[in-house]
Amino acid sequence: KNEVEQSPQNLTAQEGEFITINCSYSVGISALHWLQQHPGGGIVSLFMLSSGKKKHGRLIATINIQEKHSSLHITASHPRDSAVYICAEPYGGSQGNLIFGKGTKLSVKP
Amino acid sequence: NAGVTQTPKFRILKIGQSMTLQCTQDMNHNYMYWYRQDPGMGLKLIYYSVGAGITDKGEVPNGYNVSRSTTEDFPLRLELAAPSQTSVYFCATTTVSSYNSPLHFGNGTRLTVT
Repeated sequence: KNEVEQSPQNLTAQEGEFITINCSYSVGISALHWLQQHPGGGIVSLFMLSSGKKKHGRLIATINIQEKHSSLHITASHPRDSAVYICAEPYGGSQGNLIFGKGTKLSVKP
Repeated sequence: NAGVTQTPKFRILKIGQSMTLQCTQDMNHNYMYWYRQDPGMGLKLIYYSVGAGITDKGEVPNGYNVSRSTTEDFPLRLELAAPSQTSVYFCATTTVSSYNSPLHFGNGTRLTVT
């Protein structure tokens, strides 16, 4: 069964803390996606990665293909990082359809 | 560039009514997707299209229909609204498929069926 599991489901941090969100997936086809859903509901793509590590500002995504595991790290967290973070993987077919995790809700307190 | 535009933002329907959720993109992307997001659940694929004139069912297509007459537009039709269709609906696009390119999302349509 194709599954994407995220942990933790909810995370509360103090401003400045280092954050780690985990994603385990089952199929392992092509690139894994990390998305951010703002409190207002809008969704933006953060990363696509199929190997190694990617960095964008204070966000770092890593992936271990052998273990089918990816992590999203946030350094020096800020209240504006408060959002739901979602990982998703392609599950087959040329269309690139995705299966999504349920998301990790992050709240960063000032 | 507006990106992906969804209308309406909010809608309340009575059981049995019909409506069309609009999705328009100005990025010339071939791939377009409709997802629904229920509380506590991951996004689920309703329908997708890989180009004008081509559509196919996703994971949860029952109760919905789509068409893709142009590259820009991918409307989602609900014919006989049911309470189970209460959800937030997102349209998304990619260039060549989400294997190789990131998704661009609209801002969503929050639909309530009572």
